Amino acid sequence: DVVMTQSPLSLPVTLGQPASISCRSSQSLVYSDGNTYLNWFQQRPGQSPRRLIYKVSNRDSGVPDRFSGSGSGTDFTLKISRVEAEDVGVYYCMEGTHWTFGQGTKVEIK
Amino acid sequence: EVQLLESGGGLVQPGGSLRLSCAASGFTFSNYAMSWVRQGPGKGLEWVSGLDGRGDDTYYADSVKGRFTISRDNSKNTLYLQMNGLRAEDTAVYYCVMWLLGCWGQGTLVTVSS
Repeated sequence: DVVMTQSPLSLPVTLGQPASISCRSSQSLVYSDGNTYLNWFQQRPGQSPRRLIYKVSNRDSGVPDRFSGSGSGTDFTLKISRVEAEDVGVYYCMEGTHWTFGQGTKVEIK
Repeated sequence: EVQLLESGGGLVQPGGSLRLSCAASGFTFSNYAMSWVRQGPGKGLEWVSGLDGRGDDTYYADSVKGRFTISRDNSKNTLYLQMNGLRAEDTAVYYCVMWLLGCWGQGTLVTVSS
């Protein structure tokens, strides 16, 4: 089974500063069709999760461009260029063929 | 606008059963695979079960295999999760998810307790 490992698990950030979350998979996420089904989700306090990024680097509709995804193979990163107060919450990576989630990274304001 | 509305959660005793429903709207339901994902209190996200657009192919997490059954009624645009043999560790908010568009419902709470 694929294991998704996120780091850090807690990320205090200063408003306006960048933030970065790492996600590593136990095996390559390149699927047989050539695509890499790595997604990022945001869950604000008290809300349902919301997808931000699909297939490594594609932003969903309505997602601010301060969010970006990158990576390949087994190593992936979600970056927030300038953290805003509304970005507080827990962020999850998920590989999309066996639907395995990372543990989550809690982003909070310092 | 895509909408997913779960219902059917509640308090049930260990060993009991519940059936969750997810009413979908805003898209051609039968064209899309659907899943259930749960989140225990204060915990992360756990995929539970999924099925394809026609309901022919179903998939389950090892933790629920043999106890939960996923199904869909495309004529009613509704996804179901029949949960039998419930355990305390099944206590969670259960979300209905349409992966292709990344849409989640608001969730329904299942509490298994005596």
